[in-house]
Amino acid sequence: DTGVSQDPRHKITKRGQNVTFRCDPISEHNRLYWYRQTLGQGPEFLTYFQNEAQLEKSRLLSDRFSAERPKGSFSTLEIQRTEQGDSAMYLCASSPGQGMADTQYFGPGTRLTVL
Amino acid sequence: DQQVKQNSPSLSVQEGRISILNCDYTNSMFDYFLWYKKYPAEGPTFLISISSIKDKNEDGRFTVFLNKSAKHLSLHIVPSQPGDSAVYFCAVSYDKVIFGPGTSLSVIP
Repeated sequence: DTGVSQDPRHKITKRGQNVTFRCDPISEHNRLYWYRQTLGQGPEFLTYFQNEAQLEKSRLLSDRFSAERPKGSFSTLEIQRTEQGDSAMYLCASSPGQGMADTQYFGPGTRLTVL
Repeated sequence: DQQVKQNSPSLSVQEGRISILNCDYTNSMFDYFLWYKKYPAEGPTFLISISSIKDKNEDGRFTVFLNKSAKHLSLHIVPSQPGDSAVYFCAVSYDKVIFGPGTSLSVIP
């Protein structure tokens, strides 16, 4: 049973550096989501893809953030010129895309620490 | 402005007793609701869901109740087990999933 996988699991970087995270969804799922979670909060939506098309971006996603899903398979989330406020858990989820009753399945997350 | 609220940040329950986790939402357009469970260092795991055409859904020890007029749902766990200790997120699916802040459940042996 291959669930959603994310790489790396942990990333420590210095302020101003660029970082890139990868997400591999469940293979038959055509929707892929990125969330950010900080301590004491639930996951906050960042963006999502339907196949390779990026359909929505949250206002939380500043122009330093970019996400791609080439060929509708894996996805990458890049943060440029990282800031200490970017420190968080970045979660990826995928779903079959069944409209209203669409359940998302999450990966283990990438914990980013910006020093 | 939080659209999904979980007003109890934490809850402690004795093993074998019932755990009741509560959730309130603000938008009457929401029509599909989910509960996720999260252990430390792991991503959230889907637990149970309910659509607005129902007022109750059961799966083993877990039951979710929906009161649309009150915009309230609750998750009941009976009997509670120590392995249920985790953070529970209430969420609504409305073109994207909106999560509440979570309730940390501790089941005491």
